[in-house]
Order: sequence, then C-alpha cells, then structure tokens
Amino acid sequence: DSGVTQTPKHLITATGQRVTLRCSPRSGDLSVYWYQQSLDQGLQFLIQYYNGEERAKGNILERFSAQQFPDLHSELNLSSLELGDSALYFCASSIRLSGANVLTFGAGSRLTVL
Amino acid sequence: GQQVMQIPQYQHVQEGEDFTTYCNSSTTLSNIQWYKQRPGGHPVFLIQLVKSGEVKKQKRLTFQFGEAKKNSSLHITATQTTDVGTYFCAGSNTGKLIFGQGTTLQVKP
Repeated sequence: DSGVTQTPKHLITATGQRVTLRCSPRSGDLSVYWYQQSLDQGLQFLIQYYNGEERAKGNILERFSAQQFPDLHSELNLSSLELGDSALYFCASSIRLSGANVLTFGAGSRLTVL
Repeated sequence: GQQVMQIPQYQHVQEGEDFTTYCNSSTTLSNIQWYKQRPGGHPVFLIQLVKSGEVKKQKRLTFQFGEAKKNSSLHITATQTTDVGTYFCAGSNTGKLIFGQGTTLQVKP
C-alpha cells in the first residue's frame, strides 16, 4: 500500500458520459499529480496541484478538469467521454529528495469507455 | 518542449542474461529518476540521480547519469523473472517531471 488512495479501481461507462475520479494523497503530502496511461503508452502528465492551487499543467484536454480540496483530496473530472479516453488514470503525491519531487503513485483507476 | 526518449520499447531476454535500457533527453536535466511498473501494477520509485556522471547500484541494478546530464541508463545483471515489468525514466529541468515511454522487459525462465 503506497498510501495514495484512488477510487474507483475500475469504471465502465459509455461515450458522451461524465465521470469523476478521486484521489487522496499520502498523509502529510500537499501535492497531487494526475497521469494518464493508455495501452502501450507511457505516462502522460495531466495536471499538478499543491495545497489547493494548480501548480503545473500538462497535456490535459479541455473536456477534463481537476481540483484539489481543502482536505487535500483531489478529483479529476472527465466529460463528453470518447473511446480514446479509455486508460489507466494514476494519481501521485510527492516528497522532496535532493531538491526534486519523487512521486508515489496510487493503484490507479481503470476507465473503459464503450 | 522537453522530451525524454527511451529505448528499446520492448526487450525479451532469457533468464540470466543482462538487460539495459537507455534514456535520452532533448535538454539538460537537473536530475533523472527511474521507476518500475510491474504488470497490472503502478509505477514505483527506484532511484534518483543528480550529479553529472553519477553511478548508483542497487543489487543487480546499475544506474548511470551521463556527463552532460542528458542521458541515463539502467543495466540489470543476470535477469530474474522478478525483474519483469516496465522501467520508466523521468527527467526534470523545470520542476516538471517528464516520463519516457518506458521499456517493457520480459524474462523467459
């Protein structure tokens, strides 16, 4: 158990629908990162939050949005879903090590869009 | 923008053979990290290299950071079936961690 909690583990939905993925970082970690991993793809950085504020943005589609709440949990909202959105979505929190952020990933949420 | 390329994409080896994956960045990195993702699992941090030319070892795994801080490698000596998984490098120079595409290692017993 990495200490980063993601729900749901699996989600099956239809095109055009909207889903919300939830993440709780490790106790004491202020940062939350969201990554998308499609089949045979690497880890695509979506967005990062730090203590409730957006810190960095990656290749996140306009149909996707995220936020971090005062209790530090985060939600990733995916709307107008398309078949290509089927992927594993990972959340991570970080610690500082020698001036860099080292990520601890959750177990992921597997989204299947039919 | 910053890109991190990793090769090969896939590698099949016989148990006991060595394995190496290479990571190259389009820009100079402040540090490089390596993660391992077991099949069906999530990426797990292995190690971080910070200094130019740095070499670190973890049992049968040897990690190197290039002198120019633009490339890195992970070498596994005498692979075992437990080494199966995808190995990702991740580099940073702007505070944003960019992952390579990963090298998936399969080990035949």
